[in-house]
Amino acid sequence: NAGVTQTPKFRILKIGQSMTLQCTQDMNHNYMYWYRQDPGMGLKLIYYSVGAGITDKGEVPNGYNVSRSTTEDFPLRLELAAPSQTSVYFCASSSAHSRFNSPLHFGNGTRLTVT
Amino acid sequence: RKEVEQDPGPFNVPEGATVAFNCTYSNSASQSFFWYRQDCRKEPKLLMSVYSSGNEDGRFTAQLNRASQYISLLIRDSKLSDSATYLCVVNMKSGGGADGLTFGKGTHLIIQP
Repeated sequence: NAGVTQTPKFRILKIGQSMTLQCTQDMNHNYMYWYRQDPGMGLKLIYYSVGAGITDKGEVPNGYNVSRSTTEDFPLRLELAAPSQTSVYFCASSSAHSRFNSPLHFGNGTRLTVT
Repeated sequence: RKEVEQDPGPFNVPEGATVAFNCTYSNSASQSFFWYRQDCRKEPKLLMSVYSSGNEDGRFTAQLNRASQYISLLIRDSKLSDSATYLCVVNMKSGGGADGLTFGKGTHLIIQP
């Protein structure tokens, strides 16, 4: 079982470039999330999805977009990269049936640097 | 008051010792509590959920104190492999949706030989 798979692992972008961070899960989880983690800070929620076709903003959505066309995939799009988006990005998923006590399963993360 | 607060440490503890750290949360209506472990440059992984009556998993014990709004994690007979950052996670949303999870900044634990 692969769990949550993120690609790429590392990426360097120039200011103004765009890219998509890929995330896929094979656990049939309805809930999926994108977090960013800056040094010395707690994880911040960017966007989340409660099922295919449904997405919603988290705490820090500006500069990002998402889509959820299938249960498995939840890509995160950066349209105009800025240095403030330098961070480690984690995708996660959780079961729909016990949301409050359902653990988050994280991908390995994507280290993004914008210069 | 910050939503979820943890002492960042580092806690330097000799191998075999017992170590405990707390996490305070601001929303008294919080319903779910977790401890996650994050190794350096890795993803967070669930260590244990925290139940109202307290719970134990091997060398790890988690407690919840609703009156004082904190949770705690106790590690007994610490191992070198326990060195990691421990994240306190609280679900502050009383309605539906796990989007209300709030992460603490983490407590850095170093077990020394």
